[in-house]
Parts: sequence; structure tokens; C-alpha cells
Amino acid sequence: AQTVTQSQPEMSVQEAETVTLSCTYDTSESNYYLFWYKQPPSRQMILVIRQEAYKQQNATENRFSVNFQKAAKSFSLKISDSQLGDTAMYFCAFMKNTGNQFYFGTGTSLTVIP
Amino acid sequence: GAGVSQSPSNKVTEKGKDVELRCDPISGHTALYWYRQRLGQGLEFLIYFQGNSAPDKSGLPSDRFSAERTGESVSTLTIQRTQQEDSAVYLCASSSRNPVKETQYFGPGTRLLVL
Repeated sequence: AQTVTQSQPEMSVQEAETVTLSCTYDTSESNYYLFWYKQPPSRQMILVIRQEAYKQQNATENRFSVNFQKAAKSFSLKISDSQLGDTAMYFCAFMKNTGNQFYFGTGTSLTVIP
Repeated sequence: GAGVSQSPSNKVTEKGKDVELRCDPISGHTALYWYRQRLGQGLEFLIYFQGNSAPDKSGLPSDRFSAERTGESVSTLTIQRTQQEDSAVYLCASSSRNPVKETQYFGPGTRLLVL
């Protein structure tokens, strides 16, 4: 079975500062995908960033980057230059290369403080 | 263009009643997911449709839950004989082909409250 763990239920960061959200996962698969999704109060889930496990290079999307440590099964999200609009729940998710199911963590509530 | 829409946005029902939730995916999207999100929890996979292939129903929690999709259009999630534990937000997502390689677009969800 696949599990995704987010050990930080809540975090806060000052506007313009950098914050890192942690995520670990457990799997016996060698090929898989990892995701970070953002869910603002509107409930709309938005894809932030995606990482293929076979790629060693960490994915980046503008102010968002990941630190993917495959051996440690760790997939943290770094948000640089935090903005008020980054306030949301952030979910880490895992998907096997051969499967249809996404496995989500329980989320981290991030608040950006002005 | 229009995104994924879901209806109703909120539903209050009495225990034991049946409910039907609707999802309108983005036109042309072949892949469609249903998820359940309980208060303070992550998303729980329910069911996956891909084109005309047999759906992956492995996430449905009981035989009270069922879902249908006609072709690549609307999907309905039906919960029979609702229980209080079914109270949650039900989210639908669609993508153009492969949900892993293509971005999943989520609807706003239906908040279900079973009294």
C-alpha cells in the first residue's frame, strides 16, 4: 500500500519570506509521480508542481520548487518570496506509474502573514 | 473556457435518503475522477473513468456508492441510504488524457451533510 505523510498540520510565514512544506511517502514502486496541490478557501484544487520519480532533477515552477530525495522518500515543497495569495491548504500526492489512484496526504494549512 | 462544474454546491439530506451528485467535466476531457474529502482530511480516491474503458471502482467505500459516466460527458455519483459518515465534500476532476501527465482540473465540489 502507498501512504503519504504530511507532518505539519499548520504553518505560517511572513510575506516575502521562504517556507518549506514537508512530505514523505512509502512505496515499493520504482516508477511513480509526486505532486503538490494547493486548495484555497474556494475549495478549488490547483496543481502547483509535478515530479517524475525517474528524473533526478528537482522540478521548479516560478517561486515553487521541490527537494526530491528518492532514497529517503521525501518530497518537500519550497515556496520563495511568499505572497498573500499563497495562503491555502497544500496537499502532497503520489501516483504509481501503472495505476489510476492518487494517494493524498492530510494537508498542511499555510498562512502567509502580511 | 468553462472549467469543471459540479452540482449541487451544497446538499443537506436525511439519513437513509439517496443522493445524486453531478459533475460536468471540461469538454473533450477523457479522464474523470471522483474524490471524497472529509473535514480536515486529504482527498480519498473513489472512482476513475477513462474514455470507454471499464472504470476503476477500487476506491468506492461500500456498495451504497456507485457512479456512472456516459461516454466522455457528465458523470453522476450516487449514494444510497446515506449515513452520517458520508458527510464530506465530494470533488470531481477531469483531464485531457493521462491525469499524470496532464493537469487535473478540479471542480468546486459538492458539500454533503447527512443529518
